[in-house]
Amino acid sequence: EAQVTQNPRYLITVTGKKLTVTCSQNMNHEYMSWYRQDPGLGLRQIYYSMNVEVTDKGDVPEGYKVSRKEKRNFPLILESPSPNQTSLYFCASRLGLAGGYEQYFGPGTRLTVT
Amino acid sequence: QKEVEQDPGPLSVPEGAIVSLNCTYSNSAFQYFMWYRQYSRKGPELLMYTYSSGNKEDGRFTAQVDKSSKYISLFIRDSQPSDSATYLCAMTGMTTDSWGKLQFGAGTQVVVTP
Repeated sequence: EAQVTQNPRYLITVTGKKLTVTCSQNMNHEYMSWYRQDPGLGLRQIYYSMNVEVTDKGDVPEGYKVSRKEKRNFPLILESPSPNQTSLYFCASRLGLAGGYEQYFGPGTRLTVT
Repeated sequence: QKEVEQDPGPLSVPEGAIVSLNCTYSNSAFQYFMWYRQYSRKGPELLMYTYSSGNKEDGRFTAQVDKSSKYISLFIRDSQPSDSATYLCAMTGMTTDSWGKLQFGAGTQVVVTP
């Protein structure tokens, strides 16, 4: 089954404790992206990657890091989480520049930073 | 000011009615326009996309784009309780600089009552 998976689905952590949210897709997509979703603000892009070893900032990259060492994986790293990073996070993927615009979203990771 | 504005609702309609959703935007570079549906506790899924101005129909769904007014719409005919969800508009431009970045509206919550 074609899908985007994220882990963990729920996470409660404390300020300053480094964490990683994993994202993996099995569709051989070139493009992957991370979003956060907050009430009243909709989905905002954090980082995106056009291909392996190619990443770029989205609209709200502060406090986040990403890496793209393999085509299928695109982890999101919070090196020193703060309460304002409490949010619902989505990973998404799509074919790439030569493909369509359909983005496949993961099920989401609900993060709470206390 | 946000680049994409969308009324958050909620929008409540009786079963069988037409649901009318819309977004306005400020960036004239946007060329591709999409509508996503998001059920509670799920990731967004693509409903439709359109390129530039015009209409596109898919079953009970019709998407319209008016670039001169910077206004896009989604209509759902013969609405069903299963259409109850949050609908998000999204858009992007054609330049390589903007290609990877989707701008989302905040989403409109739709409730279809039996």
